[in-house]
Amino acid sequence: ETGVTQSPTHLIKTRGQQVTLRCSSQSGHNTVSWYQQALGQGPQFIFQYYREEENGRGNFPPRFSGLQFPNYSSELNVNALELDDSALYLCASSLGGTTKDTQYFGPGTRLTVL
Amino acid sequence: EDKVVQSPLSLVVHEGDTVTLNCSYEVTNFRSLLWYKQEKKAPTFLFMLTSSGIEKKSGRLSSILDKKELFSILNITATQTGDSAVYLCAVEGAAGNKLTFGGGTRVLVKP
Repeated sequence: ETGVTQSPTHLIKTRGQQVTLRCSSQSGHNTVSWYQQALGQGPQFIFQYYREEENGRGNFPPRFSGLQFPNYSSELNVNALELDDSALYLCASSLGGTTKDTQYFGPGTRLTVL
Repeated sequence: EDKVVQSPLSLVVHEGDTVTLNCSYEVTNFRSLLWYKQEKKAPTFLFMLTSSGIEKKSGRLSSILDKKELFSILNITATQTGDSAVYLCAVEGAAGNKLTFGGGTRVLVKP
């Protein structure tokens, strides 16, 4: 157990809807990264938040947005859902900045878009 | 753009066999290479490698990095059915803000 939690576990939405996924980081960690993992593929980096600021973004459109709170928990919001957004969404927490720290993953949220 | 390629895509072995998983990478300003094991959902951390030629070991698992040839291997000896999983390799560049993953190697260990 990494101490990283995510909610909800599963979610079913329809095309065009909006979704919010949540992540609580491991105690002492100030950085949260979000990844999308399609079936049969490796995780793909969406973005990272460090001390409440976005700290890097992957090749995802602006309808993927995020937020980090003062307690370092984080949200991932996806607007105008598309069928291809169906995936496992993973968050990972770490001690960011200049520290070479490992990213520890939560159990993920399985999103299905119909 | 950073890139990670893992091979083989999948393999099936019997308990007691040894497996070797390969990971080759291209990354701007290499910072570290990580191995994760993914059974159902959460990838669980196995190793972080930063220096060439230094083997990291944890029980029956070991890994080594070659920064000159840009690859790493993960070895599992005396495999058990509990080793069945997808093994993911990832690299971190100098920005330190993202991991670039390979597609994973699916390992099935049969009794």
